[in-house]
Amino acid sequence: SYELTQPPSVSVSPGQTASISCSGDKLGDKYTCWYQQKPGQSPVLVIYQDSKRPSGIPERFSGSNSGNTATLTISGTQAMDEADYYCQAWDSSTEVFGGGTKLTVL
Amino acid sequence: QVQLQESGPGLVKPSQTLSLTCTVSGGSITSGNYYWSWIRQPPGKGLQWIGYIYYSGSTYYNPSLKSRVTISVDTSKNQFSLKLRSVTAADTAVYYCARVDSSSSHFVDYWGQGTLVTVSS
Repeated sequence: SYELTQPPSVSVSPGQTASISCSGDKLGDKYTCWYQQKPGQSPVLVIYQDSKRPSGIPERFSGSNSGNTATLTISGTQAMDEADYYCQAWDSSTEVFGGGTKLTVL
Repeated sequence: QVQLQESGPGLVKPSQTLSLTCTVSGGSITSGNYYWSWIRQPPGKGLQWIGYIYYSGSTYYNPSLKSRVTISVDTSKNQFSLKLRSVTAADTAVYYCARVDSSSSHFVDYWGQGTLVTVSS
């Protein structure tokens, strides 16, 4: 079965750029999306189709996907961006989630 | 604005069947390129896709759960449902219903608030 791998945790200082990776076999051949989840809340879509932002998502969120790795980038990270982030891709009629990355802003 | 709301028992005994229903409001379950999905999250852990259904009744399941899962749809009530058989403590999780947009790629654009289901005697 297809697997997506994310680092368990990433730390960033306020105002700096955070990058969260998501790796999978030939992931660049698939579309990837990203969700943000804060404690006690449902996930929120922040990037879809590799690099598109839904309405209402700040411009500081961006995404890319090439080769075996998709990357979520948060520019000018703010304290409110501290959350868990999950990547997701679709493979063989199956939705697959990455294990999640806890972003700490310190 | 589409809204999804899960309902069902919060406590299920081991070996029994977990049953949840998702009621969709603000839009028809028969409209557009959408799959209606169940996703779960064990306490303190990540997201796991359970499966989804198209309004026509076509279903797709996570291979690891396929033998125990049934997802059905009731278009007259704008609802879809989940049944998970022979549950164990490992099935304790927050269960989310969600809408998957499949028009160009696959992503969840609307989530329910989630409901915690605990498997315990």
